[in-house]
Amino acid sequence: SQTIHQWPATLVQPVGSPLSLECTVEGTSNPNLYWYRQAAGRGLQLLFYSVGIGQISSEVPQNLSASRPQDRQFILSSKKLLLSDSGFYLCAWSTGSGELFFGEGSRLTVL
Amino acid sequence: GQNIDQPTEMTATEGAIVQINCTYQTSGFNGLFWYQQHAGEAPTFLSYNVLDGLEEKGRFSSFLSRSKGYSYLLLKELQMKDSASYLCAPWGNTGFQKLVFGTGTRLLVSP
Repeated sequence: SQTIHQWPATLVQPVGSPLSLECTVEGTSNPNLYWYRQAAGRGLQLLFYSVGIGQISSEVPQNLSASRPQDRQFILSSKKLLLSDSGFYLCAWSTGSGELFFGEGSRLTVL
Repeated sequence: GQNIDQPTEMTATEGAIVQINCTYQTSGFNGLFWYQQHAGEAPTFLSYNVLDGLEEKGRFSSFLSRSKGYSYLLLKELQMKDSASYLCAPWGNTGFQKLVFGTGTRLLVSP
C-alpha cells in the first residue's frame, strides 16, 4: 500500500533562517507531488506541484522553492524565512486520475 | 482560473442534518471533490462527483450539478466528531490534476 511521510512535524524558526521540509512517498511510482500551505484560519493554498523528477511548477511567487531530486521525494525550501511563512504545510501525492493523499503536515512558526 | 464559494461557518446540533453548499467557476471541469479537515490535521477524502446527481455514502452524500456549477455536501445524523472544516475542490481541466481548494466551511456541531 502507498504511504506518504513528511517531516519535521513541528518547527519553530527565527526570521531570516533557512527552511527545509521533506516529503517522501512509498508504494507507488511517478506520483504527482504537491506542496500546500494553510495559514491560520485560512484555506489551502497550492504552492508547488511536480509531475516528475526535476519538474517543478510554482503557483504563487513567494519566498519559497521546491525540488524533486528523486521520483518519490519532494522538498520545500527557503533561504530566509519571513514571518508570513508561518503556517501548516502539507505535502500530497496523486496518480493524476483522482484523489489527493496528504501527509501528516508540518507546522511552521516563524518568530 | 477558478472561483470557489462556500459559507465560512455553519452550526448545527447533534442528530440534525446539515447541507454545505459550494458554487464554482472553473476552466473546464472534470469533477468535484469534498474533503474533511479536522483542526490541526491533514484533509481526508470524502467524495468525488463526476456526473450530475446525488451520491450517497453512509451518513454523507454529495450532489453535483455541472450545468449550474453547484455542489453540496449533505451530512445526516450529525455527531460531535463531524465538527471540522469541509473543503470543496473542483478539478478544472488544466491538463494536469491541479486541485485548488475553496476556503472551506467550518462546521460546529453542538450537543
